[in-house]
Amino acid sequence: EDQVTQSPEALRLQEGESSSLNCSYTVSGLRGLFWYRQDPGKGPEFLFTLYSAGEEKEKERLKATLTKKESFLHITAPKPEDSATYLCAVPGKKGAQKLVFGQGTRLTINP
Amino acid sequence: GAGVSQSPSNKVTEKGKDVELRCDPISGHTALYWYRQSLGQGLEFLIYFQGNSAPDKSGLPSDRFSAERTGGSVSTLTIQRTQQEDSAVYLCASSHGTSGYVYEQYFGPGTRLTVT
Repeated sequence: EDQVTQSPEALRLQEGESSSLNCSYTVSGLRGLFWYRQDPGKGPEFLFTLYSAGEEKEKERLKATLTKKESFLHITAPKPEDSATYLCAVPGKKGAQKLVFGQGTRLTINP
Repeated sequence: GAGVSQSPSNKVTEKGKDVELRCDPISGHTALYWYRQSLGQGLEFLIYFQGNSAPDKSGLPSDRFSAERTGGSVSTLTIQRTQQEDSAVYLCASSHGTSGYVYEQYFGPGTRLTVT
């Protein structure tokens, strides 16, 4: 069964303190890995798609990387407004279009 | 442009009543998805529509749940004889069409359903 595991479940950082969130997956024939941000009471907001090992994408203070078994979301010099739950997801079994989501990492940036 | 919209934003219903939740996808997106997010749970896939193809209903938890998509655009998720365990946030997403390629999905704000 396809699985996505995110760690840590929760992370508290001081403003400016860089760190990384982890997303490990078990799926045969990866057809993309997706990162989303979700604020309380809102739907997930698309951040990045990664398709192949070694690929990297950046947006402001966020950088996503992908290996054959896991993805990292690096947060550099975060600000309080980066506080949110970060979700990663992969497509399900071959041919399926549904996304299988991890449980998310709840990130809090203290000023 | 306009994103995915959902209505109502909140719905409180009594156990045993039927509810309808609506989703308007992004214009031009041919694929539409429904997910459910329960407290403490991750996002759970419910159903997927793509063009005129038969929908993928593999995630519907019981036959009390059904969905339709009219004219390839607006979708309605119907829950019959609601139960307390149906309480959750129901999220709709849309994406460009697929032919083996998986596009990013854009989510609406969700409908928070509370069954009392």
